[in-house]
Amino acid sequence: EAGVTQSPTHLIKTRGQQATLRCSPISGHTSVYWYQQALGLGLQFLLWYDEGEERNRGNFPPRFSGRQFPNYSSELNVNALELEDSALYLCASSSPLQVGNQPQHFGDGTRLSIL
Amino acid sequence: AQTVTQSQPEMSVQEAETVTLSCTYDTSESDYYLFWYKQPPSRQMILVIRQEAYKQQNATENRFSVNFQKAAKSFSLKISDSQLGDAAMYFCAYRSASGSRLTFGEGTQLTVNP
Repeated sequence: EAGVTQSPTHLIKTRGQQATLRCSPISGHTSVYWYQQALGLGLQFLLWYDEGEERNRGNFPPRFSGRQFPNYSSELNVNALELEDSALYLCASSSPLQVGNQPQHFGDGTRLSIL
Repeated sequence: AQTVTQSQPEMSVQEAETVTLSCTYDTSESDYYLFWYKQPPSRQMILVIRQEAYKQQNATENRFSVNFQKAAKSFSLKISDSQLGDAAMYFCAYRSASGSRLTFGEGTQLTVNP
């Protein structure tokens, strides 16, 4: 089975621009999670989407937003990019059954670099 | 809020030897799940092992096993017969039984020496 796929692999932007990151979950998974892995800050939860709805949000400003499409793929949008947004953005998906028990499976990430 | 702490930023082990990575967590919940993920230089997070808090028996997956001490809120990972391919950053993670986010520790960089 195909794993979680993310695109692009690497994205280079300048301050003030907007970035769009994409994620396709494992087939049959309806939940998609976004995490930010910034140098020195570890992995931080960003957003959780399930069945097309935003279910939970981490402690990030509103310029971080996203959506989930009917095929369960997801986009993460970051507006008004700042230097500190430079990070690896990881997407994960999980089965909807017994939410807490289901492990999250991760993609390879998108490296976002802000110049 | 839940917190996860990994007090060993770096660890090293000789090939074929055993190493234990430490993890402690803080929570007021009684039902939750704990995970160990590894992140090699290829950067993909790979699930190594998971533990349900309601289970007293420690989880094992081949060469990987955990020592889960619920009262002490401790969740260590033991890697037996270490292999060069085990070299990676290892993250301990917590997830509430109600689902949603994973809370990660800071990570432990494991080096395996030939």
